[in-house]
Order: sequence, then C-alpha cells, then structure tokens
Amino acid sequence: DQQDKQNSPSLSVQEGRISILNCDYTNSMFDYFLWYKKYPAEGPTFLISISSIKDKNEDGRFTVFLNKSAKHLSLHIVPSQPGDSAVYFCAASGTDNTDKLIFGTGTRLQVFP
Amino acid sequence: DGGITQSPKYLFRKEGQNVTLSCEQNLNHDAMYWYRQDPGQGLRLIYYSQIVNDFQKGDIAEGYSVSREKKESFPLTVTSAQKNPTAFYLCASSPAGGRPGETQYFGPGTRLLVL
Repeated sequence: DQQDKQNSPSLSVQEGRISILNCDYTNSMFDYFLWYKKYPAEGPTFLISISSIKDKNEDGRFTVFLNKSAKHLSLHIVPSQPGDSAVYFCAASGTDNTDKLIFGTGTRLQVFP
Repeated sequence: DGGITQSPKYLFRKEGQNVTLSCEQNLNHDAMYWYRQDPGQGLRLIYYSQIVNDFQKGDIAEGYSVSREKKESFPLTVTSAQKNPTAFYLCASSPAGGRPGETQYFGPGTRLLVL
C-alpha cells in the first residue's frame, strides 16, 4: 500500500497562529506533490502543489515545503482562519508516467477563535 | 459554469443489487477517475480513464465496473460482488491523462449506504 502517511490525524490551532500539516512518503520516485482541502460531504479542492525540483512554493497564506532527502512534505498556513477548518490531504504522483495520485490519510484541522 | 457533477448525492443499495453512480464533466478533460473514501483513510483509486473507450483498474477495482463511451461521462457500477460498498465515492477529472503533475478536479461525491 503506497498511501502517504499524514502524521497527525487531527490538529487544533488558534486563529491567527500558524498551522503546520505534515506528510511523509516512502516512494522516492514521486516527483510532484499536491495538497487538497476537503469539507464534509464535499469533494476535495486543490490548494497548492510543488514539483520535486523545488523545495518551497508559496501562494498567499499557504506555503508548501518539500524535503526530498527526508521524503517529507509540509503545508504551512499563516495566519490560520476559522474557514481553514477542514480535512487536508497530501497527494503525490509521478511514478508511472500517468497522473494517478496517491493520497495521504488526511489531517483534520480545526481553527478556533 | 464548468464543473463535475455527481448524482445522486445519497444512494441506498440492497443486498445483491448492482447500483450505478453517475459522473459528468463539462471541463473538456480527457482523464477521469473514481475514488473511494472510508473513514480515517485517504482516497483510494478504483478505476481511471485517460481517454474515451479506454480505462484501467486502480488499486481497489474488485467489485466495481466502469465505462467511458463519452468524454464527459464516466459512470461507476458497484456490483453485488463488492462486499463492503458503504463509502463516500468521489469522481475527478484532469485535463490530460498520462502527464504527472496534472491537477485533478473533484465532484461533490456520492455517499453509498447498504440497507
């Protein structure tokens, strides 16, 4: 089973502070990584991505960091807002010349006032 | 508005019954996917199709079947052979299959429950 491992099933953060979500992977052939956000009873929505040739990608309040040697991916959200409360999935692709994604198990983020 | 629609939102299946979940996209995407989500788990790939009239098994294809007769449609049938069908089913599409890094866009999902 190649599912990425998201280290914390849940995370609780105060509004305005930084949220850090982590994801470890085992397959060194992955070369593209994505983060998705999912609200209950809805489909995931794409948030941010990073290619393996980079170690950081930033988009507004969201920054993704990639440490290839450690096979570790993280998503930083700063400042966190209550609307960020959702389940976040990391995903990876690139092992077999398709765009199939391997998803992590998800981290539930709760941002409280 | 362009997007992916899934129907129905909720579906009930009786023992021994086949049911079909609909997925339609008007994004002109070549590739389409079906995933299953169970509590506490990530999304697992059931089937995918990179082009019309072609589809491939994913990681958990047993008990499911698909067809891709039209670019915009990718229905999933949950057969009676699927012993644990209760889950949240998600359909996705991407612009061009076969290219790593393509972002996938998801529909709202169908929750299947067994009576």
